[in-house]
Amino acid sequence: EDQVTQSPEALRLQEGESSSLNCSYTVSGLRGLFWYRQDPGKGPEFLFTLYSAGEEKEKERLKATLTKKESFLHITAPKPEDSATYLCAVQGDTGFQKLVFGTGTRLLVSP
Amino acid sequence: DVKVTQSSRYLVKRTGEKVFLECVQDMDHENMFWYRQDPGLGLRLIYFSYDVKMKEKGDIPEGYSVSREKKERFSLILESASTNQTSMYLCASSPLYGNTIYFGEGSWLTVV
Repeated sequence: EDQVTQSPEALRLQEGESSSLNCSYTVSGLRGLFWYRQDPGKGPEFLFTLYSAGEEKEKERLKATLTKKESFLHITAPKPEDSATYLCAVQGDTGFQKLVFGTGTRLLVSP
Repeated sequence: DVKVTQSSRYLVKRTGEKVFLECVQDMDHENMFWYRQDPGLGLRLIYFSYDVKMKEKGDIPEGYSVSREKKERFSLILESASTNQTSMYLCASSPLYGNTIYFGEGSWLTVV
């Protein structure tokens, strides 16, 4: 059974204090690993898809990396507007486009 | 820009009522999904559809049904709402062979 575990559950940073969020996964035949951002009361907003170990993608202050067992979302010099819940999900080869989600990391960036 | 629209953002229904949640996408996507999101449990797949009039059960289909009469529209139906169906419901869509799934803003349903 595909599984995703995200850590930490919550993270508080000062503005400008860089850090990383972790997503550990087990999946049968990885077809993609996804990162989403979710603001309170809103739907998840797509950030990145990673397909194979060693792949990296960047968007503004965010950088996602992937190994065979985990993915990291690195946040460089965060700003208060980066505060949100970050969700990780995997898609394996056993379910038609089915995503299995972690429970997310709640990030709070203080000015 | 990708757009998935859920017509009702906040609903309060009584136990036993029939509830319809509507979702429309404007990207001509073949696949559509309904998830529910609960604290500590994450997002869980209820049903999905890969074509008009086609539907497949997800992980938690009990107590729900769906309808897809047109490509752009996917409805979630609670035949007889119960308090344990109080949740945030998220509709999503994706291209047939694409990996990325796009979500709507969510519908908050409270069953009293």
